[in-house]
Amino acid sequence: DAGVIQSPRHEVTEMGQEVTLRCKPISGHDYLFWYRQTMMRGLELLIYFNNNVPIDDSGMPEDRFSAKMPNASFSTLKIQPSEPRDSAVYFCASSLGVSGANVLTFGAGSRLTVL
Amino acid sequence: QQQVKQSPQSLIVQKGGISIINCAYENTAFDYFPWYQQFPGKGPALLIAIRPDVSEKKEGRFTISFNKSAKQFSLHIMDSQPGDSATYFCAASRWTGGFKTIFGAGTRLFVKA
Repeated sequence: DAGVIQSPRHEVTEMGQEVTLRCKPISGHDYLFWYRQTMMRGLELLIYFNNNVPIDDSGMPEDRFSAKMPNASFSTLKIQPSEPRDSAVYFCASSLGVSGANVLTFGAGSRLTVL
Repeated sequence: QQQVKQSPQSLIVQKGGISIINCAYENTAFDYFPWYQQFPGKGPALLIAIRPDVSEKKEGRFTISFNKSAKQFSLHIMDSQPGDSATYFCAASRWTGGFKTIFGAGTRLFVKA
């Protein structure tokens, strides 16, 4: 398997623009997580899905953020409108949710810069 | 109650020395404590993990020590090498898959050659 695949790897945009980050989890994994990493706040869990259904979105900072998982092999994180404080590295991770297998496999991340 | 506190924030160790990173948690519902290693430009990757039914787990040069009563655990890197230079995150979760994983703030380790 190619692992968790994220795109784009780098995104530079201007304040107010819409940003869409994409993630392809490992085939067969039934949990998908979106994390945000900044120097100030470390790794923050934004939202996670089980079998394509959002389970906990309490970490989503505000209504400008939304996430979807239309099928088992694809998820998106959208920011609209984007603001400079959204600049961060966004990671997608997936896991196989059976007992004894709570291991997160992370993608390489999408580095977002909002000017 | 969901926090995982990690220290130090950064660490410089001589090659061959021992690196020690400490973490503490609050929520007693956690029963799975992994450590992740992150190199620049990469996502975190699982390094080693422990469950609270044992007090220590060793894999090669990496050892986790766990103190259930104190709700603390630590990572020891023996014979530290320059290739170990990375950011290390402790985390807490549930053994049963799917529960959200809470990460510590991270420790930047630099091993001097």
